[in-house]
Amino acid sequence: SQQGEEDPQALSIQEGENATMNCSYKTSINNLQWYRQNSGRGLVHLILIRSNEREKHSGRLRVTLDTSKKSSSLLITASRAADTASYFCATDATVPIEDSGAGSYQLTFGKGTKLSVIP
Amino acid sequence: DAGVIQSPRHEVTEMGQEVTLRCKPISGHDYLFWYRQTMMRGLELLIYFNNNVPIDDSGMPEDRFSAKMPNASFSTLKIQPSEPRDSAVYFCASSLRQKDYEQYFGPGTRLTVT
Repeated sequence: SQQGEEDPQALSIQEGENATMNCSYKTSINNLQWYRQNSGRGLVHLILIRSNEREKHSGRLRVTLDTSKKSSSLLITASRAADTASYFCATDATVPIEDSGAGSYQLTFGKGTKLSVIP
Repeated sequence: DAGVIQSPRHEVTEMGQEVTLRCKPISGHDYLFWYRQTMMRGLELLIYFNNNVPIDDSGMPEDRFSAKMPNASFSTLKIQPSEPRDSAVYFCASSLRQKDYEQYFGPGTRLTVT
């Protein structure tokens, strides 16, 4: 399965601390994306990192990608209570469509890390 | 733009009834995706469309599920007949392109089948 797996499943930290979440996957990718989901809401895209990139920053977010280890990490610095949410990694893959000969490009999501930031 | 719009936000129905979920993607987006989210299985891709044409429906669980996209601004996911195991949150997402592009998710429809 191409599915990414996040680690840990749940993380609880104090406001102001850094939060690190990891994602491991199994096969080659073109890119890896991180999404956030607040309770009862849809997923929101945070950042995309391509397979030829090793690190990317966006505000308080830092994403790293190690294709040799097939893993990625998401670091949230100086966490805030509003960062409380579930965080998902998504890996891309092209899978064959049965009986058509064509390929289906898909994102496969992990089950997420539930982050709680305590004020 | 208002983002991806889904309706209804909540649906409670009895086993055996027909359920129709609706989605309006972001204008100009060529790709539309239907996902299902449960605690046990996480987020699963059911089907996706490119320019209103279904490309891959291999994730649709069984014949009780069907999806249509009659035009670029509207899609439906229908379950007939519904069963309790269909209870989940169903998300619609759209994307400007497919490869290397982010997906924009709607707020979801929470379906409960009793």
